[in-house]
Amino acid sequence: GAVVSQHPSRVICKSGTSVKIECRSLDFQATTMFWYRQFPKQSLMLMATSNEGSKATYEQGVEKDKFLINHASLTLSTLTVTSAHPEDSSFYICSASAGFYNEQFFGPGTRLTVL
Amino acid sequence: AQTVTQSQPEMSVQEAETVTLSCTYDTSESDYYLFWYKQPPSRQMILVIRQEAYKQQNATENRFSVNFQKAAKSFSLKISDSQLGDAAMYFCAYRSGNQGGSEKLVFGKGTKLTVNP
Repeated sequence: GAVVSQHPSRVICKSGTSVKIECRSLDFQATTMFWYRQFPKQSLMLMATSNEGSKATYEQGVEKDKFLINHASLTLSTLTVTSAHPEDSSFYICSASAGFYNEQFFGPGTRLTVL
Repeated sequence: AQTVTQSQPEMSVQEAETVTLSCTYDTSESDYYLFWYKQPPSRQMILVIRQEAYKQQNATENRFSVNFQKAAKSFSLKISDSQLGDAAMYFCAYRSGNQGGSEKLVFGKGTKLTVNP
């Protein structure tokens, strides 16, 4: 149980375009989802916390107008990278919390490459 | 703000041997959770073990165990009988346990574990 999927797993886009990444909890409902960014050989950096039906809470330094988060249902959160630039190239990971401990279960990640 | 420190960027161990990964943290909270996550080359984050701060007994999951020293704010991970599949990045993480508190995980920088055959 507690499986989280992400789609797509890899995406390549041109500079200036927008890219949407989906995060789904497959076998449970998640009131809270998290979006992380991970640079090569580095730790996970929390970008935002997403609560179903309300606005996401962004971490300091994360541009909310550039990284749009929508948590429309208890099983789906989306991250849209708007007007992507090469510096946005990274590995994006989502997680969803569930269970007695509100434990975070992680998706497999999405590798974004902006040309 | 809470911080998590992993002082060993890289560690190596021989197959079937035991290795200990270090983690220290800083917090003023009394109720919290500590986690070890594994990130293999596939980059899928996998929970290895969880420790509740209010529990004195160290958590154990098969070959994985922790040494939780609350006063010293230390939370090391011991891997016994190391296997080639244990090779991965290991991240120590902290989460507040206060009711109504943040569910955010605070991660350390990670330790890359290599298992030599």
